[in-house]
Amino acid sequence: DAGVIQSPRHEVTEMGQEVTLRCKPISGHNSLFWYRQTMMRGLELLIYFNNNVPIDDSGMPEDRFSAKMPNASFSTLKIQPSEPRDSAVYFCASRGLAGANEQFFGPGTRLTVL
Amino acid sequence: QKEVEQDPGPLSVPEGAIVSLNCTYSNSAFQYFMWYRQYSRKGPELLMYTYSSGNKEDGRFTAQVDKSSKYISLFIRDSQPSDSATYLCAMTARTGGYNKLIFGAGTRLAVHP
Repeated sequence: DAGVIQSPRHEVTEMGQEVTLRCKPISGHNSLFWYRQTMMRGLELLIYFNNNVPIDDSGMPEDRFSAKMPNASFSTLKIQPSEPRDSAVYFCASRGLAGANEQFFGPGTRLTVL
Repeated sequence: QKEVEQDPGPLSVPEGAIVSLNCTYSNSAFQYFMWYRQYSRKGPELLMYTYSSGNKEDGRFTAQVDKSSKYISLFIRDSQPSDSATYLCAMTARTGGYNKLIFGAGTRLAVHP
């Protein structure tokens, strides 16, 4: 099992540019989560999908952030336009059963916005 | 006040020491309690998971939950350099029809030979 796959692993971009982060959940998992981790705020949930449908997007910081899950094996998190304060590590996690609690995290994408 | 409080450390101990990591929480609705371990530049991975008050043991690791005091702990016996990582406590709350994970800030642990 390859686990949760995220790409790119590192992204350096300039303020104002569009950034797209990608995630492939574990096959068979029907829940997907996007998190952001910073030193100041720790690990924060941005958005939760269940069966490809966004269920909780209350953690999305503002309209510059958007997320999609067009099918069960792929999700994107887009930031447009990016700002230096978006610099963080972004994690994708997936979960098997709706009633389960364990989330499996990907390796993360380290984003630096200059 | 944050829902989950965790001392960020860092905590530095010699190999073989007993390590105690702790979290307090304010929401009495939290149901499940977990400890995740995160190595540098990796994603968090589940280490221990418990539901009820009391102790749960797994090898050198013991998770303890005291719901009356809203306090959870993770003990590591005979700590090893390979235990050096950040340890995040996490708790679930039923929110909007699903179990949402709320994480502590994480405690950075260094075990030196």
